[in-house]
Amino acid sequence: AQKITQTQPGMFVQEKEAVTLDCTYDTSDQSYGLFWYKQPSSGEMIFLIYQGSYDEQNATEGRYSLNFQKARKSANLVISASQLGDSAMYFCAMSSQGAQKLVFGQGTRLTINP
Amino acid sequence: DAGITQSPRHKVTETGTPVTLRCHQTENHRYMYWYRQDPGHGLRLIHYSYGVKDTDKGEVSDGYSVSRSKTEDFLLTLESATSSQTSVYFCATGVSGTSGYEQFFGPGTRLTVL
Repeated sequence: AQKITQTQPGMFVQEKEAVTLDCTYDTSDQSYGLFWYKQPSSGEMIFLIYQGSYDEQNATEGRYSLNFQKARKSANLVISASQLGDSAMYFCAMSSQGAQKLVFGQGTRLTINP
Repeated sequence: DAGITQSPRHKVTETGTPVTLRCHQTENHRYMYWYRQDPGHGLRLIHYSYGVKDTDKGEVSDGYSVSRSKTEDFLLTLESATSSQTSVYFCATGVSGTSGYEQFFGPGTRLTVL
């Protein structure tokens, strides 16, 4: 069975600093995908970034990058130059080929301080 | 945005009453999902659909049923609501794209069972 672990229930970061949100996963599948979602206080789930297990380069989307270390089974989200609007809950998730469904971690609540 | 709406957005009901939540999508995505979100648990999959009239159970399916008679609609029914089903319910759709599998979420429905 697949499992996602996010070990940081909460994080506090000063504005403009970079922040790394940890995510480790467990799967026996060879082909899988890793996702990060942002959930602000308004409640919607916002897709941030995706990494395929066969992608050789780390995914990047603007200020977001995914630090993918396959051997360590980790998929950490890096946010560069954090902004006040980055304060939110962040979820790591994974899918496996053929299943087409996601397993989520418990989330990390990120607070950006001015 | 993938054009996903959920109705109702908020509902308060009493224990033992039936409840149906509706998810409607305009993107013609093949896959549709129902999740519940509870503190400390992240998002957990209730049921999902991989086509019209094709559904399967997720991680927390007890007490829930689903139906999908049209591509665009996915209904979640609580036959006899219990207080443990008080939660925020998210609908999602999924599609395989050029960058891999993508999943998009609706705005959520907050259900309170008294």
